[in-house]
Amino acid sequence: KAGVTQTPRYLIKTRGQQVTLSCSPISGHRSVSWYQQTPGQGLQFLFEYFSETQRNKGNFPGRFSGRQFSNSRSEMNVSTLELGDSALYLCASSSGTNTDTQYFGPGTRLTVL
Amino acid sequence: DQQVKQNSPSLSVQEGRISILNCDYTNSMFDYFLWYKKYPAEGPTFLISISSIKDKNEDGRFTVFLNKSAKHLSLHIVPSQPGDSAVYFCAASGNTNAGKSTFGDGTTLTVKP
Repeated sequence: KAGVTQTPRYLIKTRGQQVTLSCSPISGHRSVSWYQQTPGQGLQFLFEYFSETQRNKGNFPGRFSGRQFSNSRSEMNVSTLELGDSALYLCASSSGTNTDTQYFGPGTRLTVL
Repeated sequence: DQQVKQNSPSLSVQEGRISILNCDYTNSMFDYFLWYKKYPAEGPTFLISISSIKDKNEDGRFTVFLNKSAKHLSLHIVPSQPGDSAVYFCAASGNTNAGKSTFGDGTTLTVKP
């Protein structure tokens, strides 16, 4: 099976712009979760989509949003970028049960100048 | 309020010796725990997991121990190898938030030859 893919791998934006990141989960997986990792920090949960519905949400401002398509692919959007949004954004896919392992993609490294 | 804590940011051990990485959690609703390994510029890779109905799970050189009463888990690597050098994240999830894992901040393990 192909693993989780994320595009683009690297992105440079300026403050105030918006960005869209894409994640393709492992075939058959219906859950896609998004995490933010900043230097020296653990993974902070953004949100999780299951069968096209947002099922869980972390403590991030409304500038961070996402969606999931019928083929389980997911996109994450960040509007009005701030310097502090510079981070590695990781997506993980799973079958969606709490005892199922999440498999991570390689991440998208976003730099905001 | 950090629900999953890895109190040691770093750990250094000699090749061939045992590495013990620790993790504490506060949320008693967590019932599934995982360890991930992460290399720079890559997404986390699943290592081993344990359900709350068990107190030990073993996979080759890796063993995870769970002490529910103390809300503590540990990862033992025996024998440690230089290739094990990476950041190790502890994560937890529960029935009420499938698809959402809460991560610790990670422990950087360095195995010296």
